[in-house]
Amino acid sequence: DQQVKQNSPSLSVQEGRISILNCDYTNSMFDYFLWYKKYPAEGPTFLISISSIKDKNEDGRFTVFLNKSAKHLSLHIVPSQPGDSAVYFCAASGETSGSRLTFGEGTQLTVNP
Amino acid sequence: DAGVTQSPTHLIKTRGQQVTLRCSPKSGHDTVSWYQQALGQGPQFIFQYYEEEERQRGNFPDRFSGHQFPNYSSELNVNALLLGDSALYLCASSFSDKAYEQYFGPGTRLTVT
Repeated sequence: DQQVKQNSPSLSVQEGRISILNCDYTNSMFDYFLWYKKYPAEGPTFLISISSIKDKNEDGRFTVFLNKSAKHLSLHIVPSQPGDSAVYFCAASGETSGSRLTFGEGTQLTVNP
Repeated sequence: DAGVTQSPTHLIKTRGQQVTLRCSPKSGHDTVSWYQQALGQGPQFIFQYYEEEERQRGNFPDRFSGHQFPNYSSELNVNALLLGDSALYLCASSFSDKAYEQYFGPGTRLTVT
């Protein structure tokens, strides 16, 4: 039962352009969403989060959008930089699941110079 | 400010053996969660410790057990290792009142032969 899904295993963009990473969830009890970035041989690094009471949260080049009716969230990176090349995971948490995080499968982002 | 640290970095064990992995949380954090990440997948929640007790548990067998010490550090123990236990084991720490906002360590790569 995959409650959090990232349907694109990979994404390639040019430096300076926008990267858009998508995530869908099925559990309507999720109320907090996070994005993590992971480089090889490192643990996931927290990027940005959003509560279900909001539909947008912005932090520098990173913006997360939440569409609760569609059970969809996206991460926008503008402008994309080669150093952003990594695997990006979305994760969700909710009252019924406690504070455990449920992760998607990840999307490999490659930013080409 | 030290982040989450884990030891050892890598470990090779034989089927049937037992293993102990260690984690020190980020300074000030009192809650520790453990995740298993198989190749090509997102991290899967194993369990979470707070006040030296297991607070939540994911869908893992009893062969997986843990402990939290008074200084908030934690151990993950796996008994009767199976080939399928080969994975990256990630520790994450957080504040108890914001336990969904988790910060990860670099992980321990366990290989079972």
